[in-house]
Amino acid sequence: QQQVKQSPQSLIVQKGGISIINCAYENTAFDYFPWYQQFPGKGPALLIAIRPDVSEKKEGRFTISFNKSAKQFSLHIMDSQPGDSATYFCAARDSGGSNYKLTFGKGTLLTVNP
Amino acid sequence: EAGVVQSPRYKIIEKKQPVAFWCNPISGHNTLYWYLQNLGQGPELLIRYENEEAVDDSQLPKDRFSAERLKGVDSTLKIQPAELGDSAVYLCASSSPPDRGFRNYGYTFGSGTRLTVV
Repeated sequence: QQQVKQSPQSLIVQKGGISIINCAYENTAFDYFPWYQQFPGKGPALLIAIRPDVSEKKEGRFTISFNKSAKQFSLHIMDSQPGDSATYFCAARDSGGSNYKLTFGKGTLLTVNP
Repeated sequence: EAGVVQSPRYKIIEKKQPVAFWCNPISGHNTLYWYLQNLGQGPELLIRYENEEAVDDSQLPKDRFSAERLKGVDSTLKIQPAELGDSAVYLCASSSPPDRGFRNYGYTFGSGTRLTVV
């Protein structure tokens, strides 16, 4: 059972455009929602994260929008740059006990054309 | 601050052979994770350590996979014998207990070991 569903699988955006990646979850025990960026040959790197008591979080060109009632959250990349070309993963953490297990989506390959 | 260090970066072995991966977490990080990342997929947890104790190994295929974290620092993940389906990237991550700083909820991943079983 896929607990975090991510879409689209791939995305092509022109330089300066807005990239939008969506994720949906079922487990209401999730209490932390990070986004990771992964370049080829590298491990995932934390990009931005949000807790469900906040509807939006912005850091520079990156914004997470969170809809608790719909159990959906999305990553918006404003003014997308070729250097943003990477695979992006949404994830969610189960709040049960001290379990820090993250459940990841399947990833979105973003290509930003110059 | 040095990141999470993994070695080797790449490994090619024949099926049925043993293989081992090594991870050195960030200094002071008590929690260490091994994740499996198949091509085109997100990472999936194999095992989590709190210091030297494996507190979550429910996803580790114990018939062929084993792991250890002696002295609560470095960790080794072993596969014996390897199968063709084990070809993937094996990621190690570490984290410190979360505090009010939200970023401390996040992990730091190493660059991974890409295993190819032929």
